[in-house]
Amino acid sequence: KAGVTQTPRYLIKTRGQQVTLSCSPISGHRSVSWYQQTPGQGLQFLFEYFSETQRNKGNFPGRFSGRQFSNSRSEMNVSTLELGDSALYLCASSLVRATTNTEAFFGQGTRLTVV
Amino acid sequence: SQKIEQNSEALNIQEGKTATLTCNYTNYSPAYLQWYRQDPGRGPVFLLLIRENEKEKRKERLKVTFDTTLKQSLFHITASQPADSATYLCALPGGYSSASKIIFGSGTRLSIRP
Repeated sequence: KAGVTQTPRYLIKTRGQQVTLSCSPISGHRSVSWYQQTPGQGLQFLFEYFSETQRNKGNFPGRFSGRQFSNSRSEMNVSTLELGDSALYLCASSLVRATTNTEAFFGQGTRLTVV
Repeated sequence: SQKIEQNSEALNIQEGKTATLTCNYTNYSPAYLQWYRQDPGRGPVFLLLIRENEKEKRKERLKVTFDTTLKQSLFHITASQPADSATYLCALPGGYSSASKIIFGSGTRLSIRP
């Protein structure tokens, strides 16, 4: 079966712009979590969506937002981009909520560069 | 809040030896702990999950232990191969009230030299 698909793979944006990243989970998976990965901070949790509702949120400013659609596909948006937002953004899908200690399947990520 | 420390940023060992990676956590003992492998430019790949009532879990050449007294998990790769070279991450729930907030360690970059 198809894995987690993230689009686009690479993105270059200018400071102040906004960006939308997309994640299509594995078919049948209802939970989507987003992570930001940088060399200095490692993998940091952004938020989790399940059944179109945000269930948990990490310590990121309000410029970071997301949503999930009825088909479980998810998007995350970053407004007013800053240089420090340059990172690899990863989404992970799981069959049920992450609270049930199920494994997460990660996409390839979107490499965002802010110039 | 829960914090994770992975023993070393990088580990370099000879092919055929056993690689041992350490994951320490600082706060409450989680109900489970996971280990992932990440190759450069790719997303992490799930390897093993161990629950708090399990002392040890094995999968082929991989073995994970979980010591809730020491607040530590050890990840072993026996008969290591150059193809095992990657970054290995441990992960656990962020807290009782935020169990779905999975937090990751900073990872250990493992290099297996022929």
